[in-house]
This record gives sequence, C-alpha cells and structure tokens, in this order.
Amino acid sequence: EVQLVESGGGLVQPGGSLRVSCAASGFTFSSYSMNWVRQAPGKGLEWVSYISSSSSTIDYADSVKGRFTISRDNAKNSLYLQMNSLRDEDTAVYYCARGLTIYGVVIFDYWGQGTLVTVSS
Amino acid sequence: SYVLTQPPSVSVAPGKTARITCGGNNIGSKSVHWYQQKPGQAPVLVIYYDSDRPSGLPERFSGSNSGNTATLTISRVEAGDEADYYCQVWDSSSDHRGVFGGGTKLTVL
Repeated sequence: EVQLVESGGGLVQPGGSLRVSCAASGFTFSSYSMNWVRQAPGKGLEWVSYISSSSSTIDYADSVKGRFTISRDNAKNSLYLQMNSLRDEDTAVYYCARGLTIYGVVIFDYWGQGTLVTVSS
Repeated sequence: SYVLTQPPSVSVAPGKTARITCGGNNIGSKSVHWYQQKPGQAPVLVIYYDSDRPSGLPERFSGSNSGNTATLTISRVEAGDEADYYCQVWDSSSDHRGVFGGGTKLTVL
C-alpha cells in the first residue's frame, strides 16, 4: 500500500524558515517524481514544486521560486521542502504527492494527508 | 502561464447527472486530470488522461475533453459524491509545472 506521511509543519514567524518532510513507503520511491502541493485555508490547490526521480529536474511555482528548495533522499525514501523567507501568504496545508509520469505528463496519483504550516507573528 | 477556469459551484439532485467543466485555451490538446477532495481529507485522483479511471473507482465517474473545455461527468449522483473537484494539467511547454483549476463545490441537494 502506497503511503505518504508529511511532518514538520508548525507555527513560524514571517521571515522565518521551516523544513517539511514526506516519508514514503509501499512503492519504489526512486522510480517516481514527487511534488509538493499546498492549500491555503478555505482556498484551492496550488502546485508548489516538482522533483524528478533522480533529482535532475526541479521546478517551482513563481510564488515560491528563490525562497523554497525541494530535495529528496532516495536512500531514505524521503522528500523535503526547505522554506525560507516565509510570508503570511505561505500559510497552508502542504501535501506531498507522488508523480506518475506518462508520456511526459505528470499525474498526482497518491497524496499524503498534509502538514499545516502557519506563518504568523 | 496556463489558466484553468472552473465554476465555483454545481448543484444536483440525487440520482441525476452532474457535469463539472474546466475551461482553458485549447485544453483539448492537453491531458486533463480530476481530483475529488472531501472536507478535511487529502485530494484523490478520480480521472486521468481526460477519461481514464483509477482501478476501483465507480464507472459513474467519466471525463471528456475537446476544444476549450474538459468535463467531469458524475452519473447517478449519490450523497457521498458531495465534495470539491479540481481539474489539473501538466504544463511542460517551458518548464515542468502543475496547474490546477480553482475548484468546484458539488452540492447534492
């Protein structure tokens, strides 16, 4: 059974930093791309970042580029998102989502339950 | 960047058919995926590649995509189908990016 479990969320002040993690199990982690998707309270889904299976390709939404860094450790079956210079508008539930890639198109086929990041003074 | 437009809400009576649209410029040339999200839960993939269903998903869920509109159709709607539904495409024209529609709240009357 595919499982994705996020952790590391919490309360942080504006301008601060936080790292969230996603522990994967039930599949060959190193064979899949991974993504972070966030959802602000009462709002819709927003794609945040993508990392290919080998970490050779990485991309970010414009709203986080230059502030967030995605990484993965295939030996530990883990995905990370380092978030720096946090803003109020970064407050959201952060989901990790497995990327199923078919003919260059990425589908988010499994999702974790999310971890809440609150940016507030 | 590519924009997907969904109606904020759709209402339907039990047993009837619900249609949720997703508009985008020439969206028919892209592959569209749909996710269902119930309150307090993570999203779940319900349709991928316009019209394919993940294993175990009821045949009541179907999808189509042509021109500037993709559509998620739910037949014989049940109370348990009440949820938010999001369409999504993968925009790899310049970078590798996910794009979501704004979401549609399906209310079962």
